Amino acid sequence: NAGVMQNPRHLVRRRGQEARLRCSPMKGHSHVYWYRQLPEEGLKFMVYLQKENIIDESGMPKERFSAEFPKEGPSILRIQQVVRGDSAAYFCASSPPVRANTEAFFGQGTRLTVV
Amino acid sequence: RKEVEQDPGPFNVPEGATVAFNCTYSNSASQSFFWYRQDCRKEPKLLMSVYSSGNEDGRFTAQLNRASQYISLLIRDSKLSDSATYLCVVKKGGSARQLTFGSGTQLTVLP
Repeated sequence: NAGVMQNPRHLVRRRGQEARLRCSPMKGHSHVYWYRQLPEEGLKFMVYLQKENIIDESGMPKERFSAEFPKEGPSILRIQQVVRGDSAAYFCASSPPVRANTEAFFGQGTRLTVV
Repeated sequence: RKEVEQDPGPFNVPEGATVAFNCTYSNSASQSFFWYRQDCRKEPKLLMSVYSSGNEDGRFTAQLNRASQYISLLIRDSKLSDSATYLCVVKKGGSARQLTFGSGTQLTVLP
């Protein structure tokens, strides 16, 4: 049973380009979460998705950022017109349907560097 | 004030030492508590859940004081492989979107 798979592991973009980060949840998991970790800081929640639905995007910047989790295929976090401040590690986590103390399993992350 | 606060360290301890990490949280509605471990440039991994009665897993002991909104992690007989950043994590509900992470405490165990 493969874990949460994220790709690419490392991504370099010039300012103004678009970044697309992909996340395939663990088998049987229908809930996906995206977190961002800035250098020397803790992980910050960005968005929570189920298949074809955004459940909570309260942690996501209002502009340039979007996320989707289509019926088929991985979840995508998209950052348009990247700026230097977007440089961070982006982690995806997945979990089975919610119940008390549901544990989330994290992917290895995508490290985005904006130059 | 941050929702979850930890001493950032770094803690540098010799092998075999006992080391304790502290964490405080500000939201009294928090329901679940965890310690995660994050190795350099890797993803966080669950180390252990934290219960009010205190719980132990081998060399690791976690404690929760709800009245003081305080969580601790004790590592006995430190090993080189314990070197990592330890994240205090608090959850308000049943969903992982309600996980709040501390900034982490860095531990280096020295030979």
